[in-house]
Amino acid sequence: EDKVVQSPLSLVVHEGDTVTLNCSYEVTNFRSLLWYKQEKKAPTFLFMLTSSGIEKKSGRLSSILDKKELFSILNITATQTGDSAVYLCAVSAGNNRKLIWGLGTSLAVNP
Amino acid sequence: DAGVIQSPRHEVTEMGQEVTLRCKPISGHNSLFWYRQTMMRGLELLIYFNNNVPIDDSGMPEDRFSAKMPNASFSTLKIQPSEPRDSAVYFCASRGTVTDTQYFGPGTRLTVL
Repeated sequence: EDKVVQSPLSLVVHEGDTVTLNCSYEVTNFRSLLWYKQEKKAPTFLFMLTSSGIEKKSGRLSSILDKKELFSILNITATQTGDSAVYLCAVSAGNNRKLIWGLGTSLAVNP
Repeated sequence: DAGVIQSPRHEVTEMGQEVTLRCKPISGHNSLFWYRQTMMRGLELLIYFNNNVPIDDSGMPEDRFSAKMPNASFSTLKIQPSEPRDSAVYFCASRGTVTDTQYFGPGTRLTVL
């Protein structure tokens, strides 16, 4: 059965800290891995990764994929209170390109 | 682009009543997804359409749930009769043909009393 596992489930840090969120997967016919951020509303798209070893970066957020070891990490440097959210990882697999979702990592950044 | 549009944003109803949720996907997107999100189970895919045709409804909980997509710009999710355990946030998302990225609407928060 296809599955996506995120760790940790929750994390509390202080402003300015650097955090690393993990996503591992076991799926058939991998296509891509996506990261979303969800505050108290709908998930919003952050990154899509398809190739191993190529870092995607947007401001203080960056992500990389390892297709051999079947995982991805999302890094956030110099965290701010506005980074507080649930970060969701999803994997697209198969011809129908359905997304298989992890349960998310809840990040709280304290001032 | 206005993004994915959902209505209503909030719905409070009594057990046994019919509930209809509505979604307008992003123009030009050919796939539409209905999700349910709860604290216990996270995001669950209920059904998805490709070119207005239902492709996979294996996530629909039971016969009380039905979904339609009569044209490329409109879809409904209906629950009849509703039950308290249906209380959740229901999201609609759409996807284009080029990438795997799904774009979410703001969601409908459903409360069944």
